[in-house]
Amino acid sequence: DADVTQTPRNRITKTGKRIMLECSQTKGHDRMYWYRQDPGLGLRLIYYSFDVKDINKGEISDGYSVSRQAQAKFSLSLESAIPNQTALYFCATSDTGTVAEQYFGPGTRLTVT
Amino acid sequence: GEDVEQSLFLSVREGDSSVINCTYTDSSSTYLYWYKQEPGAGLQLLTYIFSNMDMKQDQRLTVLLNKKDKHLSLRIADTQTGDSAIYFCAESRNTDKLIFGTGTRLQVFP
Repeated sequence: DADVTQTPRNRITKTGKRIMLECSQTKGHDRMYWYRQDPGLGLRLIYYSFDVKDINKGEISDGYSVSRQAQAKFSLSLESAIPNQTALYFCATSDTGTVAEQYFGPGTRLTVT
Repeated sequence: GEDVEQSLFLSVREGDSSVINCTYTDSSSTYLYWYKQEPGAGLQLLTYIFSNMDMKQDQRLTVLLNKKDKHLSLRIADTQTGDSAIYFCAESRNTDKLIFGTGTRLQVFP
C-alpha cells in the first residue's frame, strides 16, 4: 500500500463550487504539506503543518484553506473554485530532522471550468 | 529572494551522459536536493548534498555544488530510457520548507 494517498485522483468542477482534496499518510510523520504544480512554474507551497495543532501559510495560500484532522490526515479546501486553480495538487510528508526528505502522494489533477 | 531556476528541457541519446543544471539565490541554504518525477506520479528524492560539500557521487549520479556561484548540477552517467522524467532541484535552510525549481524535463531517445 502507498505511504501517502490522495483522493480524488482526478476532479472536474465548476467555477464557484467548494471542493476538498484529502491526503492520508501511514508513515507516522508529523509534518505535512500541500503543493500545486503548474507547467513551467515547478511546485509552489500552499500550506504546511508541522504537527496537529500547527498550520502555516505557504507562498500561495490565497483562495485555499486546510484542516489537519489528525497526524495522518491533512485536507485542502478550495472555498470557491476559480479556473486559475486548475493544476496538479500534491500532498507530501516529512519526518523531523536535518535532511528533510519529503514523501509525495500521487497527486490530484483538478480542473475548474 | 528564494528563486530556484532550471532550464525546462533536455534531450539526450541513450548511453550518453545527461547534465541538469540549477541556480539558486539563497546563500544560506543548508541542503540542496534533486527530486525525480515520473509520468503520473509524485516526486521522489534522488539525492541530496549538504552545503559544505562540493561533490557527491551515488552510482550513476554525480552532484556538483558550486556555492560561490550558487550553481548545482546533476550528472546522470549512461542515461537510460527509464531516466526520462522531470527533475527538480530544491533548497532548504534550517526548516523543512523546500523551495523547488521549475523542473527540467529529460527526454532520452534511442
